[in-house]
Amino acid sequence: AQRVTQPEKLLSVFKGAPVELKCNYSYSGSPELFWYVQYSRQRLQLLLRHISRESIKGFTADLNKGETSFHLKKPFAQEEDSAMYYCAPTPPNTGNQFYFGTGTSLTVIP
Amino acid sequence: GAGVSQTPSNKVTEKGKYVELRCDPISGHTALYWYRQSLGQGPEFLIYFQGTGAADDSGLPNDRFFAVRPEGSVSTLKIQRTERGDSAVYLCASSLTFIGTNTGELFFGEGSRLTVL
Repeated sequence: AQRVTQPEKLLSVFKGAPVELKCNYSYSGSPELFWYVQYSRQRLQLLLRHISRESIKGFTADLNKGETSFHLKKPFAQEEDSAMYYCAPTPPNTGNQFYFGTGTSLTVIP
Repeated sequence: GAGVSQTPSNKVTEKGKYVELRCDPISGHTALYWYRQSLGQGPEFLIYFQGTGAADDSGLPNDRFFAVRPEGSVSTLKIQRTERGDSAVYLCASSLTFIGTNTGELFFGEGSRLTVL
């Protein structure tokens, strides 16, 4: 069964426009929620985690338990934000397992 | 080295051959993960080690795939009788773990690209 859904494989926005990358999960309970990013020719790396309530590089992610979503948002996209973004919700009570979505390729047009 | 190291970076082999992929995690990281990433897909979970033991191998696709971590550090992913469908980038990641806590950060290697002809 599909556990993590990122409905958009490709997303293009203009520089300065808002951007939202969607993520829906199908776990019950309260998973730990993360976003990972892979810039061109770089390793996959952590962008942010829900538990920290942090904003990294202007990105935030809000958990909506009712919709089981954890969308990634940024009010003003920058060219350096162009990358692959992966949502990674961790099922509850599974310790340290990590499952990734299929990813969204974001292109910010100058 | 400071990061997760994977060797080889590229491996081309023929169908039916045996392949080993090595992962050297960050020193002190007790958790080690293997993922497989096919073109256009996200990383697909294969197996997770906590120390020397495989805590979860539910992602291994079949019995041709096997992984070990005998001393709780370096891990080797072994693929027997390779098939063309095994072609992918195999990613390794390590993480600090604390009992009862999900630290949430995996540190990835650059991957081993396997091509089965």
